[in-house]
Amino acid sequence: GAGVSQSPRYKVAKRGQDVALRCDPISGHVSLFWYQQALGQGPEFLTYFQNEAQLDKSGLPSDRFFAERPEGSVSTLKIQRTQQEDSAVYLCASSSPFRGQGGYTFGSGTRLTVV
Amino acid sequence: AQSVSQHNHHVILSEAASLELGCNYSYGGTVNLFWYVQYPGQHLQLLLKYFSGDPLVKGIKGFEAEFIKSKFSFNLRKPSVQWSDTAEYFCAVNAQTNAGKSTFGDGTTLTVKP
Repeated sequence: GAGVSQSPRYKVAKRGQDVALRCDPISGHVSLFWYQQALGQGPEFLTYFQNEAQLDKSGLPSDRFFAERPEGSVSTLKIQRTQQEDSAVYLCASSSPFRGQGGYTFGSGTRLTVV
Repeated sequence: AQSVSQHNHHVILSEAASLELGCNYSYGGTVNLFWYVQYPGQHLQLLLKYFSGDPLVKGIKGFEAEFIKSKFSFNLRKPSVQWSDTAEYFCAVNAQTNAGKSTFGDGTTLTVKP
């Protein structure tokens, strides 16, 4: 596609519910990144894929967070047993050059509200 | 670990005023530097980037930034702002040895009054 597509745009989850957030990167982009952005703050790194390989997951805040990119294109970020502190905008970005050297193309994000 | 500090949280200017937004980073190695912009209701977009070479880089819409290595700074400038520049601006850095992980500042909200 022309840009990075994320769905859903908005998600309201009850505390304890599992959620899955989808990211469809720009076709041919090798690198894919997930960031979490809390209100009033900058994006915080969660995890990074190069093709289907998850090269860095050091930013995932707990073992309730899991990301995958099984075929090297679409990626899913899953959050199990959601907590109120998980409320944030989840941003996906992709990059054509190796790793993130070229800068990112971001999607519009998924705003997750845990009630 | 790397970190990014943006000194101004909210800047208010009148049209035609000059703009400079501060960005300082903390990292001992070689870095790539970026400015991103988020216009109201839109997603984050890359404004400009620095990898190497000329420390003065020019981006879209008349923006430029200067990398001063000795000061660990990458300030964003524009000589004359327009109302359409109203947006949130984020500075980001990644280490050239680990360009898969970028660190962002907390952003500066720019409001330009017509």
